[in-house]
Amino acid sequence: SYVLTQPPSVSVAPGQTARITCGGNNIGSKSVHWYQQKPGQAPVLVVYDDSDRPSGIPERFSGSNSGNTATLTISRVEAGDEADYYCQVWDSSSDQGVFGGGTKLTVL
Amino acid sequence: EVQMLESGGGLVQPGGSLRLSCAASGFTFSSYAMSWVRQAPGKGLEWVSVISGSGGSTYYADSVKGRFTISRDNSKNTLYLQMNSLRAEDTAVYYCAKGYGSSSRGWYFDLWGRGTLVTVSS
Repeated sequence: SYVLTQPPSVSVAPGQTARITCGGNNIGSKSVHWYQQKPGQAPVLVVYDDSDRPSGIPERFSGSNSGNTATLTISRVEAGDEADYYCQVWDSSSDQGVFGGGTKLTVL
Repeated sequence: EVQMLESGGGLVQPGGSLRLSCAASGFTFSSYAMSWVRQAPGKGLEWVSVISGSGGSTYYADSVKGRFTISRDNSKNTLYLQMNSLRAEDTAVYYCAKGYGSSSRGWYFDLWGRGTLVTVSS
């Protein structure tokens, strides 16, 4: 089955840029989606189809995908961005959804 | 207002069964795929199953295949998950999620319910 690998944690100071990676075999050939989950809350879609943002998501959130790595970039990080972030793809070879293990973003 | 509300969670013994429901409102339910995603306590998200808008296509994670059945009643705007032969490792918060995409390119999930907790324990 297809595996997505994320770093367990990323730390960044307020106002700086956070980059969260999602690794997978030839992930650049797939559409990658990103979710934000704050403690005790349901996940929220923040980026879909590699780099598109749903309405209501700040422009500070952006995504890219190439080769074996997809990246969620959060610019001008705020304290309110502190959360767990998950990448997700659809594995067409097995017809199954796949989530990465999640990355905890800490704002210092 | 677009929303989804899960129900049916609770405590069940290993080997037992449970049926979860997800009542949707604020969008044309039959036009969208719907999915179940679960999260074990302190763990990450795990995709469980998805059903197409018509109900004609269903897909399952290997971990639940043959034990769980996803279904929907478009006349009631409700999604279901029948869970049989439950195991301790099925203990999790189960979220229903509105899917966007297709069977050819797959789905992502643009709206989530608040979840319902299923605990499998003797």
